[in-house]
Amino acid sequence: GNSVTQMEGPVTLSEEAFLTINCTYTATGYPSLFWYVQYPGEGLQLLLKATKADDKGSNKGFEATYRKETTSFHLEKGSVQVSDSAVYFCALNRAGNMLTFGGGTRLMVKP
Amino acid sequence: GAVVSQHPSRVICKSGTSVKIECRSLDFQATTMFWYRQFPKKSLMLMATSNEGSKATYEQGVEKDKFLINHASLTLSTLTVTSAHPEDSSFYICSASLAGLAGGSTDTQYFGPGTRLTVL
Repeated sequence: GNSVTQMEGPVTLSEEAFLTINCTYTATGYPSLFWYVQYPGEGLQLLLKATKADDKGSNKGFEATYRKETTSFHLEKGSVQVSDSAVYFCALNRAGNMLTFGGGTRLMVKP
Repeated sequence: GAVVSQHPSRVICKSGTSVKIECRSLDFQATTMFWYRQFPKKSLMLMATSNEGSKATYEQGVEKDKFLINHASLTLSTLTVTSAHPEDSSFYICSASLAGLAGGSTDTQYFGPGTRLTVL
């Protein structure tokens, strides 16, 4: 079956630190992969996506590369800001365009 | 573009009453809308998938008669929690995927801001 595994949080960083949030998946076929971000009290916002192997999704300084050989889609940012504090969800789409989410990783950035 | 709204954002109701939550795609037509439930500090749990003009498909373990979903048009889906009880208190989030929008991607879901339901 399809599943997504994320590193457990919370991840606490100082401003301007380098961020990596690990995400691995199991899937039949070749799903599209997504990172969504949820700010406190809000719904999810699409952060970035990749639709095929070796694609790199990027947005707002965040990047993730679709690695088929390691079945991974790790999220990275070179220099985090306090405003990046949120919960980040890795997801893949399965048949019927339904999403399977990872458990979410809370990021806390301190000034 | 690709904005999804939900109404209301918060609702408090008494046990035994019914509550309706609306989900609208504001600037696109959505062939499919999804309803999720999120518990505190947890991931999203898919409740059901709804296609315009047809019955919703519920995930295993979700009570169809308790969570009524109507997808009357390509821009509106509603979730009605019937005879709500305190254990139904949760954050309910809808999403929609694009239908043939030029330049749009049909494999991406766009999420509403969520509705916090509190049942007393």
